Amino acid sequence: DAMVIQNPRYQVTQFGKPVTLSCSQTLNHNVMYWYQQKSSQAPKLLFHYYDKDFNNEADTPDNFQSRRPNTSFCFLDIRSPGLGDAAMYLCATSSIGRGLSYNEQFFGPGTRLTVL
Amino acid sequence: EDQVTQSPEALRLQEGESSSLNCSYTVSGLRGLFWYRQDPGKGPEFLFTLYSAGEEKEKERLKATLTKKESFLHITAPKPEDSATYLCAVQAYQAGTALIFGKGTTLSVSS
Repeated sequence: DAMVIQNPRYQVTQFGKPVTLSCSQTLNHNVMYWYQQKSSQAPKLLFHYYDKDFNNEADTPDNFQSRRPNTSFCFLDIRSPGLGDAAMYLCATSSIGRGLSYNEQFFGPGTRLTVL
Repeated sequence: EDQVTQSPEALRLQEGESSSLNCSYTVSGLRGLFWYRQDPGKGPEFLFTLYSAGEEKEKERLKATLTKKESFLHITAPKPEDSATYLCAVQAYQAGTALIFGKGTTLSVSS
């Protein structure tokens, strides 16, 4: 089945220790997104790639970086995690429809990040 | 500022007791409104997309409707397995691809 896969599902890191989260997709979608979701809050978009074009949200901290080496994979790098970065990180994909309309986004299962 | 508000925050129903969840939005130029279901510890699961006022979509016990200011998710004769958080999100023309999510309604259905 076509899907969005995230690894690891659970990640524990120490304060200030860099961490990388991984996302892969078999949907062949050209747009990939990273969201942050804190407990009982709405998912918040961090950035997205349209093919290889990187689009950063204005309020995404510089501590967060992303790489998309090919269509299938996208990585989220947190350079110096703080306690406030503990959250669920969600990867999503979508395709561009007719008239350049963006279709629905499909989400992976998420990575739960704990910062000690 | 584009905004999405969902109500109620939490809803408890008995099995078979139908009800509706509300999503009100303010957005300058609605491209689409999306409903997702999210189970604890999992990613959101896509349910529906609505594009224009008057549009309706159905899937099993769920029916989504859209007006110019709000959307409703109607749940008919719910079952315990319908228990989840239901998220509403909008996409605005000016915001490109970004989805603006509401905080969700957590539904609990007891047998």
